[in-house]
Amino acid sequence: AQSVAQPEDQVNVAEGNPLTVKCTYSVSGNPYLFWYVQYPNRGLQFLLKYITGDNLVKGSYGFEAEFNKSQTSFHLKKPSALVSDSALYFCAVRAIISGNTPLVFGKGTRLSVIA
Amino acid sequence: GAVVSQHPSWVICKSGTSVKIECRSLDFQATTMFWYRQFPKQSLMLMATSNEGSKATYEQGVEKDKFLINHASLTLSTLTVTSAHPEDSSFYICSARATWGSGGEVKSTDTQYFGPGTRLTVL
Repeated sequence: AQSVAQPEDQVNVAEGNPLTVKCTYSVSGNPYLFWYVQYPNRGLQFLLKYITGDNLVKGSYGFEAEFNKSQTSFHLKKPSALVSDSALYFCAVRAIISGNTPLVFGKGTRLSVIA
Repeated sequence: GAVVSQHPSWVICKSGTSVKIECRSLDFQATTMFWYRQFPKQSLMLMATSNEGSKATYEQGVEKDKFLINHASLTLSTLTVTSAHPEDSSFYICSARATWGSGGEVKSTDTQYFGPGTRLTVL
């Protein structure tokens, strides 16, 4: 079975400082890894994904994430946080089985960027 | 990018009534759509996988007769909450991956695109 762990319920960071939102996963075989962001009462917006290739992937709004196979991690990072980055962030994984395999989500991490 | 819409965005209904939620892929075809449920301050829980032209696959613990799913076309899936009760109040989100091809050559995108969600409140 596949699973995702986001160990932090809440991350607080000052505007302009770097931010990290942690994610570890468990899956049989090679994973597809994703980060999504959710604003209040809205659906999920896709940020970035790792499928194969370079371990460091860059996504929307200046976010990036690093795939670490040995640590089974896929932490989300941004060099300089903005107040507008405050939202709920979800890490998700999908095992490469078939086209119908759904995403499994972590519990989410609420990011609060303070001016 | 690929757009998924949901209708309605919110609905309030009386206990015992049924509510239908539509999920549409606006600029792509999707042979498979997914329905999720999200409780306040919690993660998304997969309810079912909706397959065009066939029966949905439900996750363990999800009542098939309670949550009716119909995927009548390549761009539309519907979720009907039957005889709704207050405990069914939640945020329902659908998602889809773009698919193309046919028969044994159906391919899909890696990325799953999400609708804006439907907030259901049952009084």
